[in-house]
Amino acid sequence: QKEVEQDPGPLSVPEGAIVSLNCTYSNSAFQYFMWYRQYSRKGPELLMYTYSSGNKEDGRFTAQVDKSSKYISLFIRDSQPSDSATYLCAMSLSGYSSASKIIFGSGTRLSIRP
Amino acid sequence: DARVTQTPRHKVTEMGQEVTMRCQPILGHNTVFWYRQTMMQGLELLAYFRNRAPLDDSGMPKDRFSAEMPDATLATLKIQPSEPRDSAVYFCASGLVREGLWTGELFFGEGSRLTVL
Repeated sequence: QKEVEQDPGPLSVPEGAIVSLNCTYSNSAFQYFMWYRQYSRKGPELLMYTYSSGNKEDGRFTAQVDKSSKYISLFIRDSQPSDSATYLCAMSLSGYSSASKIIFGSGTRLSIRP
Repeated sequence: DARVTQTPRHKVTEMGQEVTMRCQPILGHNTVFWYRQTMMQGLELLAYFRNRAPLDDSGMPKDRFSAEMPDATLATLKIQPSEPRDSAVYFCASGLVREGLWTGELFFGEGSRLTVL
């Protein structure tokens, strides 16, 4: 079993819809939670970062972490065709120590239909 | 415009050949990661370095893969001998990690697409 599980999709929604992307994980020691976005034939880029549990909002994007359920989510409001990409969740045990390796989910491919 | 630079962008080689991929991290970054991405496995961590010292290379097949940082401006990933199952996109990413300041932000290069025939 992988440490981080993510539904690969593909997920196709109409423009303007609310999108919900999710990941589950098995290691309760993860403290740092990230969402990366990857466009085709490009490297991933950081979208949002959250430390421990709770919500974080940035424009149309909201990241949620539920450590009790080992479940994280990314919501995209008013989705746009430019949001079409692969979204990868990522997690890290620690910020500074040698345990700070970042583990990625396999990514969910999202397509927004105009 | 600071960016991570990877070479080569594309490589086609035959089974058994040696392959070396290079990465120039962003100047001032103290952490370098190597990942491999395939459709089946997603983004797999191969190795990572902090201040040029290897911290974890448990994701790497040790018998054929090796990763080094000869200096702060160069990270290398070598495969010898290469096999068809090594075909993937190899990403290098760098970041700045400091005590008490961790955003989880890695800056990725554009990747090296390797095809082993």
